[in-house]
Amino acid sequence: GQNIDQPTEMTATEGAIVQINCTYQTSGFNGLFWYQQHAGEAPTFLSYNVLDGLEEKGRFSSFLSRSKGYSYLLLKELQMKDSASYLCAAVSGGSYIPTFGRGTSLIVHP
Amino acid sequence: DGGITQSPKYLFRKEGQNVTLSCEQNLNHDAMYWYRQDPGQGLRLIYYSQIVNDFQKGDIAEGYSVSREKKESFPLTVTSAQKNPTAFYLCATGPENSYEQYFGPGTRLTVT
Repeated sequence: GQNIDQPTEMTATEGAIVQINCTYQTSGFNGLFWYQQHAGEAPTFLSYNVLDGLEEKGRFSSFLSRSKGYSYLLLKELQMKDSASYLCAAVSGGSYIPTFGRGTSLIVHP
Repeated sequence: DGGITQSPKYLFRKEGQNVTLSCEQNLNHDAMYWYRQDPGQGLRLIYYSQIVNDFQKGDIAEGYSVSREKKESFPLTVTSAQKNPTAFYLCATGPENSYEQYFGPGTRLTVT
């Protein structure tokens, strides 16, 4: 089976930087997704990491360490609209279907 | 305008009634998926279909049924056998043999 763990909730201040961690235990790991989900809406794709290292996309960056079973999503210059749930999801084995973590609810306050 | 749609956005039903949630896509994708999301939880896979006239159970298929008669459509029926049907239901689609998934806007089902 697969086990994906991420913090339930985090708070941060507008303009600051926040790092959301995700650890996973899977067999035959292929890659890791990050999605953003605002309350009552569909998840939207943020990143997909296959190789070790940091990938940067504007204010958002995602990091993967395959050997440590660890990923993080880094959000810079936080804005109020970044308040949302951030879902970590891993794909493994021969399946194309990701297994989702419970999500981290990020609250950005002024 | 290409995309994936779910209707309605909100749905209310009485306990003991079956209810069918709609999911339609015009992205010409082969694969379609149904997920359930409960408060404070991630997405859990109910059913998926990789091709027309074929579908597979996901992790929590009990109390649900699906059909895939057309490539564009993948309706989900929540039956009276589902013990805890109130949830947010998300449909997704993606190319065959690909990790990409595109989500619909979701249907919030409330059963009382």
